[in-house]
Amino acid sequence: EAGVTQFPSHSVIEKGQTVTLRCDPISGHDNLYWYRRVMGKEIKFLLHFVKESKQDESGMPNNRFLAERTGGTYSTLKVQPAELEDSGVYFCASSRWGGNTGELFFGEGSRLTVL
Amino acid sequence: QQQVKQSPQSLIVQKGGISIINCAYENTAFDYFPWYQQFPGKGPALLIAIRPDVSEKKEGRFTISFNKSAKQFSLHIMDSQPGDSATYFCAASMVGNYGQNFVFGPGTRLSVLP
Repeated sequence: EAGVTQFPSHSVIEKGQTVTLRCDPISGHDNLYWYRRVMGKEIKFLLHFVKESKQDESGMPNNRFLAERTGGTYSTLKVQPAELEDSGVYFCASSRWGGNTGELFFGEGSRLTVL
Repeated sequence: QQQVKQSPQSLIVQKGGISIINCAYENTAFDYFPWYQQFPGKGPALLIAIRPDVSEKKEGRFTISFNKSAKQFSLHIMDSQPGDSATYFCAASMVGNYGQNFVFGPGTRLSVLP
């Protein structure tokens, strides 16, 4: 079974540019989460999809961030325009639906550097 | 109330020693407490987890101790090995209005010296 895959693994862009991160969850996992970790800080929640629906996007920093999940499969996170403070590692995680026992399966992360 | 505090930020232990990482939470609605282990260049992976109805859970060299009244839990790694060198994140979870929510601590970077 393939794990959670993320692309790109590293992106370096200039302030004001646009970047799109992609996540392919484990097949059959209805829950898909996006998190961000700024160096030395906690893994911070951004948003949560159940299938194609946004269940909770309370962690999204501002309207420069847009997440989609096409047909309940892969998800994209677009940052437009990027700012310096957007730098960090963006993790995607998926889990099966149901209860409070769902193990989160993380991807390897997409490191974003905004210059 | 949604914060999980974790200490120390970094830890250096000799091979064979005991590594101890502590976490604390405020929200009593949390009812699932996992620990994740992350190696460089990889994503975090579930290591061990506990529910608040037990005070301790052991899996091999890894033990979680849970103190519900103090709202604290800790990870103990016995006989620490160089291969245990990684970043460890504690987390707290509950089922909210939108499904399962996870809150992570800032992580502890563990280095086990050979």
